[in-house]
Amino acid sequence: AQTVTQSQPEMSVQEAETVTLSCTYDTSESDYYLFWYKQPPSRQMILVIRQEAYKQQNATENRFSVNFQKAAKSFSLKISDSQLGDAAMYFCALSDSRGTGANSKLTFGKGITLSVRP
Amino acid sequence: NAGVTQTPKFQVLKTGQSMTLQCAQDMNHNSMYWYRQDPGMGLRLIYYSASEGTTDKGEVPNGYNVSRLNKREFSLRLESAAPSQTSVYFCASSARQGPYSNQPQHFGDGTRLSIL
Repeated sequence: AQTVTQSQPEMSVQEAETVTLSCTYDTSESDYYLFWYKQPPSRQMILVIRQEAYKQQNATENRFSVNFQKAAKSFSLKISDSQLGDAAMYFCALSDSRGTGANSKLTFGKGITLSVRP
Repeated sequence: NAGVTQTPKFQVLKTGQSMTLQCAQDMNHNSMYWYRQDPGMGLRLIYYSASEGTTDKGEVPNGYNVSRLNKREFSLRLESAAPSQTSVYFCASSARQGPYSNQPQHFGDGTRLSIL
């Protein structure tokens, strides 16, 4: 069974500063995918960034980047130049890529609530 | 761009009542999923459908049934609602590329369900 752990329930950052959200995971698979989803108060689940495990290069999407450490099974999200609109709950998620014919299922962490101070 | 549409957005039930949550996607995705979200628990998979005509249990299937009506629609049914099923329910869908998939899941806006 695969697991995803987000040990920090809450974090706070000053507007324009940088914050890093931590995530660790466990899986027996060698090929898998990692995602960060954002859930604002509107309750929508919005994909922020994704990382393929076979890629050594860390994914980046504008102000969002990840630090993927495969050996340590760590997948942290860095938000640069934090904005008020970044305030939300962030979920780390893991999906395997076994070719069973079934599409990959996501395992989510419990989430971290990020607040942004003006 | 509708994406994934869930109905209803809110519902209150009494214990023992039955209800079907509806989900439809217009992205021609093969796979669809139902999750529940509870405080401090993240999202947990209830059932999924890898393709039209197939359904499989996820992590927390007890008390639920699903129907993949066609490629677009995937419904979740509570036959006899219990207070423990009070939650926010999300439907999601994703495409598939060959036997492996790295396509992210697209989520609906959720259904807040309260069972008294």
